Amino acid sequence: QKEVEQDPGPLSVPEGAIVSLNCTYSNSAFQYFMWYRQYSRKGPELLMYTYSSGNKEDGRFTAQVDKSSKYISLFIRDSQPSDSATYLCAMFTGAGSYQLTFGKGTKLSVIP
Amino acid sequence: DGGITQSPKYLFRKEGQNVTLSCEQNLNHDAMYWYRQDPGQGLRLIYYSQIVNDFQKGDIAEGYSVSREKKESFPLTVTSAQKNPTAFYLCASSHGTGGTGELFFGEGSRLTVL
Repeated sequence: QKEVEQDPGPLSVPEGAIVSLNCTYSNSAFQYFMWYRQYSRKGPELLMYTYSSGNKEDGRFTAQVDKSSKYISLFIRDSQPSDSATYLCAMFTGAGSYQLTFGKGTKLSVIP
Repeated sequence: DGGITQSPKYLFRKEGQNVTLSCEQNLNHDAMYWYRQDPGQGLRLIYYSQIVNDFQKGDIAEGYSVSREKKESFPLTVTSAQKNPTAFYLCASSHGTGGTGELFFGEGSRLTVL
C-alpha cells in the first residue's frame, strides 16, 4: 500500500460546481497536511496548509483533515475555469522530518 | 523578487550525454530539493540538501548527481547512467528544520532525450 493515495482523475466539472478532492494515507504519524496547485508546465504552489485534524477555510477553498480516518479533502466552491489545474496533496510528520510525501495529483478541468 | 530560478526551461539531449540543470534561490532557505515528475507518477524525490556541502539521496537517486557548494545553488546533473531521463524536473527549497515544512518550487525544467 502506498503511503498516500490520490485519485488522478481527470475530473471535469461545470463552472460554478462544488469540487471535492481527496487523499487517503497510511502513516498515522503525519501531522501536517498541504494542498498544492500546479498549472500546466509550471511548478506547484501552496494553496492550503493545515495542522492535525479540523477544517481551514480560505475564500472559496476549504481543507479538511480527519486523522481518525486518515483522510484529507479539499473543497472548492463556485469553481472557476481558472481553477483548472492539477491538485497535489502532501503531508509530513514534523517529528524531526520535514520531507513531504506527495499524492500523485488530481487533474481538474472546470468547463465554462 | 524572492524565489527559485531554474534553467534552462527546456533542454534536449542526445543519449549518452550528461546534462546539468541549474537551480538558484534567493529566499535564504537552508534546504533544497530536486524532484522528478512523470505523468501519472506524481513527484519523486531525487536528492535533497539540508545544509551547504551536505546532501542525501532520495527515492530515485540512481543516474543523478548533485552538489551544494553555496547556500543559494543546488545544480542537478543527469548522467548517461540514467536509463529514462526524459521528464519534468522541479527544484524546491524550504526553511528546513524549524520552518513550516512548506516547499517553494521553481518553474521546472523539461528534459527530452532524443
